[in-house]
Amino acid sequence: SAVISQKPSRDICQRGTSLTIQCQVDSQVTMMFWYRQQPGQSLTLIATANQGSEATYESGFVIDKFPISRPNLTFSTLTVSNMSPEDSSIYLCSVEEGNTEAFFGQGTRLTVV
Amino acid sequence: GQQVMQIPQYQHVQEGEDFTTYCNSSTTLSNIQWYKQRPGGHPVFLIQLVKSGEVKKQKRLTFQFGEAKKNSSLHITATQTTDVGTYFCAGRSNYQLIWGAGTKLIIKP
Repeated sequence: SAVISQKPSRDICQRGTSLTIQCQVDSQVTMMFWYRQQPGQSLTLIATANQGSEATYESGFVIDKFPISRPNLTFSTLTVSNMSPEDSSIYLCSVEEGNTEAFFGQGTRLTVV
Repeated sequence: GQQVMQIPQYQHVQEGEDFTTYCNSSTTLSNIQWYKQRPGGHPVFLIQLVKSGEVKKQKRLTFQFGEAKKNSSLHITATQTTDVGTYFCAGRSNYQLIWGAGTKLIIKP
């Protein structure tokens, strides 16, 4: 099983600023996934990050707002740019082993004021 | 687009009563997974079903995958306070996991 360290665990940010969330995996993985989860809601996939190529974004999410880095097979960052209160949410990184289970970081609870 | 519908959104039960959540996909799935998310936590994998008509049990939890590989259910017998949380199904279609909306299990005091 993969162990993912995600930080920060929570933050309160001013609108207009940016926050970078980091995820470190204890093993090499091909794809990493970034999700957003509004309180009481399901998981919404933001993008899939492959090492050495640009991330693939889902409908409704753009690179300018959510730039992603994937410098190697164990690490990725997601930046939430020019934040507004609507960006307040939980952000989760995830990896999957083969075609089986997904492992998640502990999540980043973001509040934009 | 591909969707996985999950119902109900909430279920309130007395401790000791049973709980069931259902998922239905608009397309045939290669597999379906179930996750539990405790309040304040992240989703944790419970099980994966792959075969048509598959039934798996984990103690008081019974998971089923439909014959057409489009629907699935999770049934908990005799709920306990430790079962509280939100249960998500996630269907695999191509390489992507498609998440259900989740069913929140609430134990009545």
